[in-house]
Amino acid sequence: ELKVEQNPLFLSMQEGKNYTIYCNYSTTSDRLYWYRQDPGKSLESLFVLLSNGAVKQEGRLMASLDTKARLSTLHITAAVHDLSATYFCAVTPEGAQKLVFGQGTRLTINP
Amino acid sequence: DAMVIQNPRYQVTQFGKPVTLSCSQTLNHNVMYWYQQKSSQAPKLLFHYYDKDFNNEADTPDNFQSRRPNTSFCFLDIRSPGLGDAAMYLCATSGGVLGQGTEAFFGQGTRLTVV
Repeated sequence: ELKVEQNPLFLSMQEGKNYTIYCNYSTTSDRLYWYRQDPGKSLESLFVLLSNGAVKQEGRLMASLDTKARLSTLHITAAVHDLSATYFCAVTPEGAQKLVFGQGTRLTINP
Repeated sequence: DAMVIQNPRYQVTQFGKPVTLSCSQTLNHNVMYWYQQKSSQAPKLLFHYYDKDFNNEADTPDNFQSRRPNTSFCFLDIRSPGLGDAAMYLCATSGGVLGQGTEAFFGQGTRLTVV
């Protein structure tokens, strides 16, 4: 059974700092997604990573995928308060038509 | 414009009283999903439709059923809601097999409260 683990689960940081969220998964997959969720809201798609070595950037967020290590990272550069949210990674297992989510990382950015 | 629309946004139902949540989409996607997300947890897939083919997750309780009368609409029926079924229910769609150049698009969710 595919397991997806995020680290850390809670992250409190100051504005202006850099940090990285890690997403490990347990079986072969080359399809990884990052979502953002604000409290009480739905999931907003951030990145879709479809191949080994894929790197995507949007504003202060950058995501990468290493399929050999079964690891994806979400890097936050010079954090601002508006980035406070819960971030989920999700993986599509090979041959399965579904997303398996990590536990989520609750990010709080303090002024 | 919203492309995956869930109604209602908030639903309060009585313990044991059947309830139906609805989802519609304007994307003409052939796959529709229902996820359950309990407080401070990750979304968990209940089932999905690939066109008219229904695919139930092995651990989805029998209390949960779904209908897809046409491409645009999908319903989640909870036959006898219990207190443990209180959650956010998320509908999503995708235009084919996930990962092959496609991704899932989520609706705004329906927050279900059971009293």
